[in-house]
Amino acid sequence: DAKTTQPTSMDCAEGRAANLPCNHSTISGNEYVYWYRQIHSQGPQYIIHGLKNNETNEMASLIITEDRKSSTLILPHATLRDTAVYYCIVRVAPGSNYQLIWGAGTKLIIKP
Amino acid sequence: GAVVSQHPSWVICKSGTSVKIECRSLDFQATTMFWYRQFPKQSLMLMATSNEGSKATYEQGVEKDKFLINHASLTLSTLTVTSAHPEDSSFYICSAYSGTGVGNTEAFFGQGTRLTVV
Repeated sequence: DAKTTQPTSMDCAEGRAANLPCNHSTISGNEYVYWYRQIHSQGPQYIIHGLKNNETNEMASLIITEDRKSSTLILPHATLRDTAVYYCIVRVAPGSNYQLIWGAGTKLIIKP
Repeated sequence: GAVVSQHPSWVICKSGTSVKIECRSLDFQATTMFWYRQFPKQSLMLMATSNEGSKATYEQGVEKDKFLINHASLTLSTLTVTSAHPEDSSFYICSAYSGTGVGNTEAFFGQGTRLTVV
């Protein structure tokens, strides 16, 4: 079973920041939080991952709470092309041969 | 990021025939590849894990004689759907993971193959 809980769907206005929450209350000390997204009829795309510190890259920012039981993915300036299903996944440390367990994800719809 | 190429992007086949789907890692060596199946409006379901040079490990409920996986090289894995039936119609996705170098921190995904069995 997936170890994360996400809202089923969210809307966001184009140009605004999209904040996608994820609960992972049973996360273990050696598990990372990963975010992927899947645009309709395409393979998933890696977005970002983190352990306990906040992370930022060219696509998004990841904010992890101090107790690590939840996190938020932030798309700073959402565009129509960001419409996709966003998956929050917890997994053991990078470099380990460990399959990803996919939940239902959040369907993010960016509106003009 | 690393590139994983999946071919074909879509295929239509007749019931009873076999279909082969290829997954290639273009700029890194993939010691491990994963095959997923995704039905409409559902999440990805792992079918099998294949390690280069050894037999694939199938998830419970996935018929290994129906979904043949070959991972003979570090850059190519194939999934063959044998004696396909309409219920095998789905979106098949591969991902490649190297364990070192480019693919060390996350798995990279192919673009998926839409299989329709008529």
